[in-house]
Amino acid sequence: SQQGEEDPQALSIQEGENATMNCSYKTSINNLQWYRQNSGRGLVHLILIRSNEREKHSGRLRVTLDTSKKSSSLLITASRAADTASYFCATDGYDYKLSFGAGTTVTVRA
Amino acid sequence: GAGVSQSPSNKVTEKGKDVELRCDPISGHTALYWYRQSLGQGLEFLIYFQGNSAPDKSGLPSDRFSAERTGGSVSTLTIQRTQQEDSAVYLCASSPRPTSGTGDNSPLHFGNGTRLTVT
Repeated sequence: SQQGEEDPQALSIQEGENATMNCSYKTSINNLQWYRQNSGRGLVHLILIRSNEREKHSGRLRVTLDTSKKSSSLLITASRAADTASYFCATDGYDYKLSFGAGTTVTVRA
Repeated sequence: GAGVSQSPSNKVTEKGKDVELRCDPISGHTALYWYRQSLGQGLEFLIYFQGNSAPDKSGLPSDRFSAERTGGSVSTLTIQRTQQEDSAVYLCASSPRPTSGTGDNSPLHFGNGTRLTVT
């Protein structure tokens, strides 16, 4: 079963704008990861945030985690056409099986 | 360096036929996963291999599905008597070690998947 649920399902923005997507989950986690998937390709790991962390940055990416609300957000700043992809959150519930949500499809318009 | 390699990239088969999907993980990665991704859906866990331990097959949807990993490296996912609902993208991923349990977490490295179409 899917643990993470991304919101929104789809997002269309203009190049240069910021994109924000959210992930909610149900059970306690060890860490939460975000992945990107370009069309027809596998998933690429973007960032991992541990349950004792609240915010993490990597380049133009900013991830927050609120364990009290069981939610996380991914912010992509100054979006580019190359950011067009599907983004998935994956939760690690103290075992080795990552549970993935259905993803947010982001389209960046030139 | 070489990433996770999956073959074939596309497979079209007739209902009732058997198919074999292959995964070459990154050298030295002890953990190997198979996931299934249906159109517009998230990833569904199928099976997990870690070193020489018995695999976790809890995600396999039916006894028509099986997988093996030879020599701790290459893995093959076999689907017998394919059905139309088996149509999906089958993704393989590897990591240097289990992603959890130790607090030292390893992201998964995914292949590009095999798109299976059962007609």
